[in-house]
Amino acid sequence: AQSVAQPEDQVNVAEGNPLTVKCTYSVSGNPYLFWYVQYPNRGLQFLLKYITGDNLVKGSYGFEAEFNKSQTSFHLKKPSALVSDSALYFCAVVLSGSARQLTFGSGTQLTVLP
Amino acid sequence: DSGVTQTPKHLITATGQRVTLRCSPRSGDLSVYWYQQSLDQGLQFLIQYYNGEERAKGNILERFSAQQFPDLHSELNLSSLELGDSALYFCASSLGGGTKNEKLFFGSGTQLSVL
Repeated sequence: AQSVAQPEDQVNVAEGNPLTVKCTYSVSGNPYLFWYVQYPNRGLQFLLKYITGDNLVKGSYGFEAEFNKSQTSFHLKKPSALVSDSALYFCAVVLSGSARQLTFGSGTQLTVLP
Repeated sequence: DSGVTQTPKHLITATGQRVTLRCSPRSGDLSVYWYQQSLDQGLQFLIQYYNGEERAKGNILERFSAQQFPDLHSELNLSSLELGDSALYFCASSLGGGTKNEKLFFGSGTQLSVL
């Protein structure tokens, strides 16, 4: 079955350290992958997307994501975390044959500790 | 600010009642999407409208309905409400019909509490 998964409910990292938020997917054909972020009491905001091309995608606020076809992963990364990066992060995929709507993972709560 | 406006921000009602959630998309966007976010179900796609027509349907209950008006705003109607319908309901919009590489712009949501 086609799906997207975020294996970690919670990620804690110290300010200034690199961060990684994990995402794996299972889709038919070429995946269209996205990362969104949700700050408290706010709607989701687009961070970045992978459609095709370079496996390293750069997005907003210094985030980047690496597409790995062999591991069917699309992990979100940032070289140096900020306290203000603390938020809920969602990986999303457009599933094949699903009339194009985004399907979201369960979300990962990132906490950056000062 | 995403440019997507949702009203009301909070809604408290009783079981069995009916409510209407309203969404105004970003200027120029033709598609409106509705999502439900709850602790147990996560973020679930409900329905999409494009330029007034239903475009895609997700996990939307028969008690729920939506429409998109000629001015492109959308309303989500929830009827015969149950305790389990308590959730945060998001509206999102996009420029086109939801092609695979489009990004969505989300409103701040309507928090529905059914008592």
